[in-house]
Amino acid sequence: QKEVEQNSGPLSVPEGAIASLNCTYSDRGSQSFFWYRQYSGKSPELIMFIYSNGDKEDGRFTAQLNKASQYVSLLIRDSQPSDSATYLCAVNIFGGGSQGNLIFGKGTKLSVKP
Amino acid sequence: DVKVTQSSRYLVKRTGEKVFLECVQDMDHENMFWYRQDPGLGLRLIYFSYDVKMKEKGDIPEGYSVSREKKERFSLILESASTNQTSMYLCASSYPGGGDTQYFGPGTRLTVL
Repeated sequence: QKEVEQNSGPLSVPEGAIASLNCTYSDRGSQSFFWYRQYSGKSPELIMFIYSNGDKEDGRFTAQLNKASQYVSLLIRDSQPSDSATYLCAVNIFGGGSQGNLIFGKGTKLSVKP
Repeated sequence: DVKVTQSSRYLVKRTGEKVFLECVQDMDHENMFWYRQDPGLGLRLIYFSYDVKMKEKGDIPEGYSVSREKKERFSLILESASTNQTSMYLCASSYPGGGDTQYFGPGTRLTVL
């Protein structure tokens, strides 16, 4: 059973701090990794994707990938109250006729306190 | 800009009714997906389709069927709605050259009474 694991939280950080969200995955063949943000009652929206080992930065967001450890993380710098949401990690399925499908973690709830 | 729309944001139906949820994307994407999302269970894949007329079962297809007569439209059908199908239903689309990035519609909150 291919899985994506996230700490459900809630993760509480003060405004202006760095929020660190983590995700591990079981399928060693996975090649694409995604972070989605989901506000309460809304649908997931893509924040970032990463394909290669290392860091990828986009504004206040940095995704980090370590394929050897099967670990992907999202750092949010200068956290704002508007960042309060549930963050979903998603990983693609490699092979088995399910190319194009993603496995989603259950999400980590982030709360940024003013 | 990426656009996935769903026919209703909120829907209330009675047990035993046949329910149609429609999803339309305007990005010419080949792949389309239906998920349901429940507290504590995360996103669960119901059905997906890689092409017109094509459909594949996901992890929880029981009680559901789908239709894809046109590339841009993917319909989810609850043949006889039951209370345990009360949920948030999310449609998504992607294309093979897009690195598997899925784009979601706004969701339909279905309540079955």
